[in-house]
Amino acid sequence: QQQVKQSPQSLIVQKGGISIINCAYENTAFDYFPWYQQFPGKGPALLIAIRPDVSEKKEGRFTISFNKSAKQFSLHIMDSQPGDSATYFCAASLDSGTYKYIFGTGTRLKVLA
Amino acid sequence: GAVVSQHPSRVICKSGTSVKIECRSLDFQATTMFWYRQFPKKSLMLMATSNEGSKATYEQGVEKDKFLINHASLTLSTLTVTSAHPEDSSFYICSAQGGMDTDTQYFGPGTRLTVL
Repeated sequence: QQQVKQSPQSLIVQKGGISIINCAYENTAFDYFPWYQQFPGKGPALLIAIRPDVSEKKEGRFTISFNKSAKQFSLHIMDSQPGDSATYFCAASLDSGTYKYIFGTGTRLKVLA
Repeated sequence: GAVVSQHPSRVICKSGTSVKIECRSLDFQATTMFWYRQFPKKSLMLMATSNEGSKATYEQGVEKDKFLINHASLTLSTLTVTSAHPEDSSFYICSAQGGMDTDTQYFGPGTRLTVL
């Protein structure tokens, strides 16, 4: 019940296309859902995050769509660029005072020039 | 804002030696810091959670005598890998929580440990 399932494992998109990465969870007590971008040999960097009271959040080319009833959330990268090629992780955390994250397994995105 | 640094970025050591990795929150006070381990092409594996001034909480399967964590101040946590062996070689990443958005973890750049 503590798992966050992420798909696809890898994704290849043409430059200018839309990249879509999906995550699903079981525990309805999760209340914070961040997305991180990680380049090889670097630490993860926060991209965008959402809470369950919002169905969509957009920041620049990055959008999170959140479906509370389906317990799913997804990251959309519009106008994907070669510089977006990285590994993306979704995560979920509980409002339990520990602020621990449960991470998805990651999606390796490659954007072709 | 919300910058986290790690030092060193890379370390190579001989088997049996101890290695200390520092994690600093540069522009905010981190009430909680986390230490992760990441294997190639894998997700982040939480090792332990530390709060300033108290003992770290280790995840199941993580040897607390092997991986010593000290969170001496609101801006500094250290991870010491004691008596390192080749199987301890990995990418170690810290994160800090306590910035403007209290739910967000801000990650350091990571430390690549190679044990010969």
